[in-house]
Amino acid sequence: AQKITQTQPGMFVQEKEAVTLDCTYDTSDPSYGLFWYKQPSSGEMIFLIYQGSYDQQNATEGRYSLNFQKARKSANLVISASQLGDSAMYFCAMREGLQGNTGFQKLVFGTGTRLLVSP
Amino acid sequence: GAVVSQHPSWVICKSGTSVKIECRSLDFQATTMFWYRQFPKQSLMLMATSNEGSKATYEQGVEKDKFLINHASLTLSTLTVTSAHPEDSSFYICSAIPSGRAREQYFGPGTRLTVT
Repeated sequence: AQKITQTQPGMFVQEKEAVTLDCTYDTSDPSYGLFWYKQPSSGEMIFLIYQGSYDQQNATEGRYSLNFQKARKSANLVISASQLGDSAMYFCAMREGLQGNTGFQKLVFGTGTRLLVSP
Repeated sequence: GAVVSQHPSWVICKSGTSVKIECRSLDFQATTMFWYRQFPKQSLMLMATSNEGSKATYEQGVEKDKFLINHASLTLSTLTVTSAHPEDSSFYICSAIPSGRAREQYFGPGTRLTVT
């Protein structure tokens, strides 16, 4: 079964507008973390934001915020005031079993969403 | 954030030769490092989990003897692609978790391997 699902292969947004990138996940582990990464054409993976399963509040980092809906198992990334430099692939990822066994700390990725910001 | 470096950033080698890729955490110690592989327009696929001082844990379908991983210190892990073939051509990315900081995971810039 797919652990991380990103249903939007591509998204378009105009500069200065907000955009939401969808991510749903599947786990039976009560302790997990959700990550979002940006991958520009250069290939590097840039860490954007993290949400822990026990975090009471939705994570925010500058223009990035995570709309965490635990009951629905969704962790959508919201980018406010889009900039041309935001054009890239965006990956949602999950790490299960945060407590204890290192072997479960592997990060599993979704298929990604390509975001294109137009002027 | 924290910095992870990879060397080389790109390499071209002939079929049958071996290639070593280094992954270093520059400003933190990493008990655990990971190696991923990414094909064009696809997501990252985990190849193996590398723990300092112990044998790597490989994902199902990844050949241990072909992709040798050594995590000799808290700041260095190496991936050696042995007897490389054209189908091994790919983008290899390493990643590291800072020790004691499980809410973070940082990636290297990747190594593009082309086997001719």
